[in-house]
Amino acid sequence: KQEVTQIPAALSVPEGENLVLNCSFTDSAIYNLQWFRQDPGKGLTSLLLIQSSQREQTSGRLNASLDKSSGRSTLYIAASQPGDSATYLCAVRPFWNAGNMLTFGGGTRLMVKP
Amino acid sequence: DVKVTQSSRYLVKRTGEKVFLECVQDMDHENMFWYRQDPGLGLRLIYFSYDVKMKEKGDIPEGYSVSREKKERFSLILESASTNQTSMYLCASSLGDSPLHFGNGTRLTVT
Repeated sequence: KQEVTQIPAALSVPEGENLVLNCSFTDSAIYNLQWFRQDPGKGLTSLLLIQSSQREQTSGRLNASLDKSSGRSTLYIAASQPGDSATYLCAVRPFWNAGNMLTFGGGTRLMVKP
Repeated sequence: DVKVTQSSRYLVKRTGEKVFLECVQDMDHENMFWYRQDPGLGLRLIYFSYDVKMKEKGDIPEGYSVSREKKERFSLILESASTNQTSMYLCASSLGDSPLHFGNGTRLTVT
C-alpha cells in the first residue's frame, strides 16, 4: 500500500528565506504527484502537478521536483512571504489507478514570520 | 474558474441521526470525491464517483454511503451518525487527469 510522508511536519522561517519542503512515497509506480496548499479552515488549492515522466514544474516562486526512482519530491519556495503561511500537502496518484484517486501525505505547516 | 460548493460550512448533529452532506461542482467534471481530514491522520478517501450513478469505495467507506444522481452533485450520507465521524469533510472534483478542485469543507460535529 502506498504511503506518503512529509517532513518536517512544521516549519517556521523569517520572511525572505528560500525553503524546501520534502515529500517521500514508498511505491515508485506513480502516475503523477501533486502539491496543494491549505489555508486554515479551508479546502485545498492545487499548486503544481508533475507527471511521472517529468522532473520538475515551476509556477512563479514555486518549483516542484520529482525523483520517481528514489520516491521523493521537493517543493522549493523562493523568497518566502508571510502570505505563504499555510499547510502544504503532497499527494500521489498510483499508476494503476484510472480514477485520479490520490494518497495524501500528512502535510507541512509553514509559518513565515515578517 | 472551477467552483466546488459544499452546502454547509458547519454542522452539528446528534448520534444516530441520518446526515446528508451535499457537494455541487459547476464545470461538468466526471470525477467527484469525498475525503475526511483528521489531525494526525491527514486526508483519507471515503468514496469516489467517476460518472452518474457510479461509485467506488475509498479507504474508509464504513459507515458512509454516497449518491450521484446528477453529474454536478455528489452527496455523502451518514446513515446513523456516530461521534467518531466528527471530522472535516472535503469534496473534490476533477476532469480526466487534471488537478483536483476542492470545496471549502464541512466541519461536522456529532454529539
